[in-house]
Amino acid sequence: AQSVSQHNHHVILSEAASLELGCNYSYGGTVNLFWYVQYPGQHLQLLLKYFSGDPLVKGIKGFEAEFIKSKFSFNLRKPSVQWSDTAEYFCAVNVGGSQGNLIFGKGTKLSVKP
Amino acid sequence: KAGVTQTPRYLIKTRGQQVTLSCSPISGHRSVSWYQQTPGQGLQFLFEYFSETQRNKGNFPGRFSGRQFSNSRSEMNVSTLELGDSALYLCASRELNTGELFFGEGSRLTVL
Repeated sequence: AQSVSQHNHHVILSEAASLELGCNYSYGGTVNLFWYVQYPGQHLQLLLKYFSGDPLVKGIKGFEAEFIKSKFSFNLRKPSVQWSDTAEYFCAVNVGGSQGNLIFGKGTKLSVKP
Repeated sequence: KAGVTQTPRYLIKTRGQQVTLSCSPISGHRSVSWYQQTPGQGLQFLFEYFSETQRNKGNFPGRFSGRQFSNSRSEMNVSTLELGDSALYLCASRELNTGELFFGEGSRLTVL
């Protein structure tokens, strides 16, 4: 069965530190890839997405992610985090086309210390 | 345009009871998905409805059911509630062309 793995359960950083959150998926076919963010008390919202083309995608609030097909990875990065980035981050993979199931990882909680 | 609306936002039930949650998708979206979110388990897919038909289903027991109406609004029902059903239940409507999901704020269910 397809699955999505997020390597870190909880990451704690100081402001201005660089961030990289890992995401790996298990599926050999064509995938669409997403990162969602859930700020405290708010609903899930899309950070960025990859469908095709340039494997380096840029999202909102300075986030970017790189799709490495050979590694089945879609890691999320930000050069310099802010206290307001404190949230839970979810990687998701859509298999079987744009209307296929969206499978989520278990999430990574990011805490940024001011 | 209005986002995904879920009602009720909070509810408390006791074991053995049943509960019905409602979701109104973004106008024009015909697909509605339901997820269960719990600490440590992340988001687990329950089911998806498209044009009143269940299109995909996750690995949940038959106590979890859903339906979709002709106006695309969806309901999910959980019967014979168990303590482990306590969770945030999220509804999302899907954009047809991109497959992107737009989430509601969720219904937080507590089972005592």
